[in-house]
Amino acid sequence: KAGVTQTPRYLIKTRGQQVTLSCSPISGHRSVSWYQQTPGQGLQFLFEYFSETQRNKGNFPGRFSGRQFSNSRSEMNVSTLELGDSALYLCASSFVAEPGYGYTFGSGTRLTVV
Amino acid sequence: KQEVTQIPAALSVPEGENLVLNCSFTDSAIYNLQWFRQDPGKGLTSLLLIQSSQREQTSGRLNASLDKSSGRSTLYIAASQPGDSATYLCAVSSQGGSEKLVFGKGTKLTVNP
Repeated sequence: KAGVTQTPRYLIKTRGQQVTLSCSPISGHRSVSWYQQTPGQGLQFLFEYFSETQRNKGNFPGRFSGRQFSNSRSEMNVSTLELGDSALYLCASSFVAEPGYGYTFGSGTRLTVV
Repeated sequence: KQEVTQIPAALSVPEGENLVLNCSFTDSAIYNLQWFRQDPGKGLTSLLLIQSSQREQTSGRLNASLDKSSGRSTLYIAASQPGDSATYLCAVSSQGGSEKLVFGKGTKLTVNP
């Protein structure tokens, strides 16, 4: 059974550019959440999608956005990149968006902004 | 707002030792608590999921307990091995707030041969 797949694994971008990250959840999982991990702030929730609808959003600026497709694959986009956006971006999938179900995480995308 | 704290931030033990990692949370209104392991530069591997109605879960050499009323969870690792070296994170799914999972900062465990 394939796990959560995130692409690309590594990215280097220049300040001011935009970037798109992709996440394919476990087959049958319909909830996809995104997290940002930095050494200073730890893991912080970005947003969650279920059935192509954003269900929850964390405390991040509007430069961070996402979407989910009908096959449950999700993308997140960061526009006008800043140096502080350098982080490990992790995607997690769950069977449903209801509490009580555990989350399975992907290996992450390491974004470096120079 | 839910806050999760993990103590200690780092722990170094000799191989074979039994050890306990601690996690505390401020709001006891949780759905569940999940322990994860993270190797350097990698994603998170789920270790144990404890529902709010449960007191503990076991998997191999790992045992996690949950005391919801006091806002505490412990992860017990028996007979530690060098391969257990990693950062261990606990996360809670809260009944209030919009965040799906609130994480602690983790405990970095080093098991010395």
